[in-house]
Amino acid sequence: EAGVTQFPSHSVIEKGQTVTLRCDPISGHDNLYWYRRVMGKEIKFLLHFVKESKQDESGMPNNRFLAERTGGTYSTLKVQPAELEDSGVYFCASSPPSLQETQYFGPGTRLLVL
Amino acid sequence: GDSVTQMEGPVTLSEEAFLTINCTYTATGYPSLFWYVQYPGEGLQLLLKATKADDKGSNKGFEATYRKETTSFHLEKGSVQVSDSAVYFCALRRSTSGTYKYIFGTGTRLKVLA
Repeated sequence: EAGVTQFPSHSVIEKGQTVTLRCDPISGHDNLYWYRRVMGKEIKFLLHFVKESKQDESGMPNNRFLAERTGGTYSTLKVQPAELEDSGVYFCASSPPSLQETQYFGPGTRLLVL
Repeated sequence: GDSVTQMEGPVTLSEEAFLTINCTYTATGYPSLFWYVQYPGEGLQLLLKATKADDKGSNKGFEATYRKETTSFHLEKGSVQVSDSAVYFCALRRSTSGTYKYIFGTGTRLKVLA
């Protein structure tokens, strides 16, 4: 069974540009989460989808970040416009419907904003 | 609010050395505690967990005991191998409004030399 996949693995953009990160959860996992690790700091929760609905988006830093999960399958996280402080590693995780506490993480997307 | 503090790295050890990575937490009540590991190029993997005080989690020779009196969950291994080189994250889990969130520490990089 394939794990959580994320694309791209790395992205380098300039300040003010737009970047879209993608996450494909494990098949059948209704719960999808986004986290990020800003340089050298802790990994922080951003938001949680249940199928296509946002269950909790309390960790989203500001309105430059937009997360979507069309059809309850893959999810995208768009940063527009990107700022220097957005640099870091963005992790996606998913969990099955009945086992929300067991979250399976992807390899992360490393974003660098210059 | 809840937080996790873990020792800064990098930690460099020789093969077969004893490993301790300190982790303490601040939280109301008694959250579940976790250690995750990230090997190079891979996602976060659950290493071990403990769900209540005095529980000991163990896996792959690693151990950690949930100590409520010292609010700690230190990771130990008696004899490390080169293949243990990775970044280790201590975390607690909180449930709020139907969402399980992980609160992570900053991570500790371990390098084991042959």
